[in-house]
Amino acid sequence: EAGVAQSPRYKIIEKRQSVAFWCNPISGHATLYWYQQILGQGPKLLIQFQNNGVVDDSQLPKDRFSAERLKGVDSTLKIQPAKLEDSAVYLCASSSQGGETQYFGPGTRLLVL
Amino acid sequence: SQQGEEDPQALSIQEGENATMNCSYKTSINNLQWYRQNSGRGLVHLILIRSNEREKHSGRLRVTLDTSKKSSSLLITASQAADTASYFCAGWNSNSGYALNFGKGTSLLVTP
Repeated sequence: EAGVAQSPRYKIIEKRQSVAFWCNPISGHATLYWYQQILGQGPKLLIQFQNNGVVDDSQLPKDRFSAERLKGVDSTLKIQPAKLEDSAVYLCASSSQGGETQYFGPGTRLLVL
Repeated sequence: SQQGEEDPQALSIQEGENATMNCSYKTSINNLQWYRQNSGRGLVHLILIRSNEREKHSGRLRVTLDTSKKSSSLLITASQAADTASYFCAGWNSNSGYALNFGKGTSLLVTP
């Protein structure tokens, strides 16, 4: 069974630029999560999808971050414009349903200069 | 969201010793999960314990859950250098439907 795929693995941008991350969850997983992990901290949930609907986006900075999950499969997370404090690893995870074991992708490491 | 808080923040032991780390949470949960993260990599699920379970084993891992104290512990027996990683816990409450939130984790260093 293929794992969660993410791309790109690394991204360097300048502040005020925009960036997008892509995630392909495990086939058949209804729930998809995006996390932000700043160095030295635990993952912080940004948004949770159930199929293509949003379950929780209470911690998503909606003035600059957006996410979508078209057709309930792949998902993209966008930052526009990026700030220095957005430098972090962005992790995507999926689970068969909410609350069950999450399977994480390798993450995208973002550096904002 | 249900957030776990791990303790201690850092732990250093020698190979062969046991490592114990604790997790506390604030609201009721249906299950609690432990994850491991090796440096620079994604999280890997270790074990899930449900609220009606008190103890669970998986290989060298032993997890306990005390819902009255809102706490859990993860014991790694006969540790190996490969166990060096950060360990996170997170709880889930089906009523809220919200996903897990992780604490800052316990950083475990196992030296040969």
